[in-house]
Amino acid sequence: DTGVSQDPRHKITKRGQNVTFRCDPISEHNRLYWYRQTLGQGPEFLTYFQNEAQLEKSRLLSDRFSAERPKGSFSTLEIQRTEQGDSAMYLCASSLGSFSGNTIYFGEGSWLTVV
Amino acid sequence: GIQVEQSPPDLILQEGANSTLRCNFSDSVNNLQWFHQNPWGQLINLFYIPSGTKQNGRLSATTVATERYSLLYISSSQTTDSGVYFCAARGDRGSTLGRLYFGRGTQLTVWP
Repeated sequence: DTGVSQDPRHKITKRGQNVTFRCDPISEHNRLYWYRQTLGQGPEFLTYFQNEAQLEKSRLLSDRFSAERPKGSFSTLEIQRTEQGDSAMYLCASSLGSFSGNTIYFGEGSWLTVV
Repeated sequence: GIQVEQSPPDLILQEGANSTLRCNFSDSVNNLQWFHQNPWGQLINLFYIPSGTKQNGRLSATTVATERYSLLYISSSQTTDSGVYFCAARGDRGSTLGRLYFGRGTQLTVWP
């Protein structure tokens, strides 16, 4: 069973370094989402793609954040010049369909610690 | 966006007890999901339930879309039910169509 896969699962980096997370969605899912979750909070939306098109970006996604989904399959989320406030779990999710009510499935998340 | 409010924020039960978690949402939705977040952080789908009632073992859920709320019932709770339960909703028009909006969750602790 191939669910949503995220890599790496854990990352510790020094402040100022760049980090990149990868997400492989469920096969044939054309929608892919990125969320961020900090301790004690619910997941917060960052951005989502339909195929390779990035359709929406949250205000949380500052200029230091960039997400891509070049061929409409896997996606990467890069954080440049990391800050301690970027420490969080980054969640990827995918779903099938466009503006319908399809179930959204989440990966196991990538934990980022900025020291 | 859609406001999603969950109650109670914390719930402590003894094994075997029943519980009801509530989720209120501020607008009409085409997607309402309940998740259980395990201690390792993964969000496990429990129900996709924009309307109606569903049951899965000891868990069941009901969404009354016209009144903008959903309920998650846990019967005969077990220690493995512990964790955070999230409700998330997606709207059915305009800018609310794309994303799931999450509540802040209910932290459930089940003692043996």
